Amino acid sequence: GEDVEQSLFLSVREGDSSVINCTYTDSSSTYLYWYKQEPGAGLQLLTYIFSNMDMKQDQRLTVLLNKKDKHLSLRIADTQTGDSAIYFCAESMKGSSNTGKLIFGQGTTLQVKP
Amino acid sequence: EAGVAQSPRYKIIEKRQSVAFWCNPISGHATLYWYQQILGQGPKLLIQFQNNGVVDDSQLPKDRFSAERLKGVDSTLKIQPAKLEDSAVYLCASSPTWAGAQNEQFFGPGTRLTVL
Repeated sequence: GEDVEQSLFLSVREGDSSVINCTYTDSSSTYLYWYKQEPGAGLQLLTYIFSNMDMKQDQRLTVLLNKKDKHLSLRIADTQTGDSAIYFCAESMKGSSNTGKLIFGQGTTLQVKP
Repeated sequence: EAGVAQSPRYKIIEKRQSVAFWCNPISGHATLYWYQQILGQGPKLLIQFQNNGVVDDSQLPKDRFSAERLKGVDSTLKIQPAKLEDSAVYLCASSPTWAGAQNEQFFGPGTRLTVL
């Protein structure tokens, strides 16, 4: 079945690293995404990783993918107050129709304390 | 480049009334999506268009929800009649392409619907 799970809340101090975790169930996922949602705004794509990769780094963001455990994580280095938002993990479904449909987790609220 | 536009931003209606949302995708994007995001949950796909054809509407409650994308550009999503459980943010997204490739979806700000 299609299911993406995330922890609901994470609180860190400014300057620390944040690690947001996600598990998914569909082993045929092609791409996995991290989106950021600020209050009253739509979703903004932060980064993505192709399913044959283990790691991807993009400035302060590091994505780790463990396909065996179906576990995805997003590490934000030197977390800033502007990083406070809800972070969504999503997988791109590769069904028979291969429509690129996204399945989202329920989101992790990141609170950054000064 | 202009982003995905949606209107209205907020709507309050009573149950059993009708409501319509409008979306204007990024120019040139062939694929358009409507998502429903209930408070505290992630977005759930309602319907996906490729140009003006429906690719996936498996999660659309067709007894009350309808959507169209005339001329393959703008789209409207309608609810008739609304129920209390339809209270949510309705997000529109567009992407240049769809299948078989990395598919970044660009999201609009959403329409927050409250059904009383």
